[in-house]
Amino acid sequence: GAVVSQHPSWVICKSGTSVKIECRSLDFQATTMFWYRQFPKQSLMLMATSNEGSKATYEQGVEKDKFLINHASLTLSTLTVTSAHPEDSSFYICSARDLYAGNTIYFGEGSWLTVV
Amino acid sequence: GDSVTQMEGPVTLSEEAFLTINCTYTATGYPSLFWYVQYPGEGLQLLLKATKADDKGSNKGFEATYRKETTSFHLEKGSVQVSDSAVYFCAQYAGGTSYGKLTFGQGTILTVHP
Repeated sequence: GAVVSQHPSWVICKSGTSVKIECRSLDFQATTMFWYRQFPKQSLMLMATSNEGSKATYEQGVEKDKFLINHASLTLSTLTVTSAHPEDSSFYICSARDLYAGNTIYFGEGSWLTVV
Repeated sequence: GDSVTQMEGPVTLSEEAFLTINCTYTATGYPSLFWYVQYPGEGLQLLLKATKADDKGSNKGFEATYRKETTSFHLEKGSVQVSDSAVYFCAQYAGGTSYGKLTFGQGTILTVHP
């Protein structure tokens, strides 16, 4: 079964509102998680590295104030899309690193965000 | 910078045909290389990986060999099935403290017909 779970799988929100996506490691502790964004029929683009207990590291071109990342525990990272706009509609997917399993990377199932 | 280039798709094959999806990379060091598969509406699943030159990763009939001399990691399968229809991503991790920060290729859509 899945070892990294994302929630919600699907979300529709109104333009201007904020939406939170959760990424949980189910049976291991993940000090580091990663958030990616995927546009339809395109590749995954790394948005940020989420570090437990410290600030996230954002990739160039990603707005920190728009995509808020919080990694408050060893099993949970959250991505909040603030003041969402239709162009934020995308597939967001997280991954988590299991240090004690040879740094194996597990991906979540992804979350579809549609902003209307 | 580090990058991954995959052959452009989509690729359409008949069942039991031979599959090759080309992947080449650029990196300053010696990266670990991965193939991920994404089925419709789902997240990514690791298909196979190789961590050093000449390593061969294999899983579910798929194989890929890490070729340092040609900076390639082509994915092959001798006989594809309809259930192999998915998007395939080649990826690399170049090292450093942020292990898991992957660079992906653009993805190749594979459709297998009965």
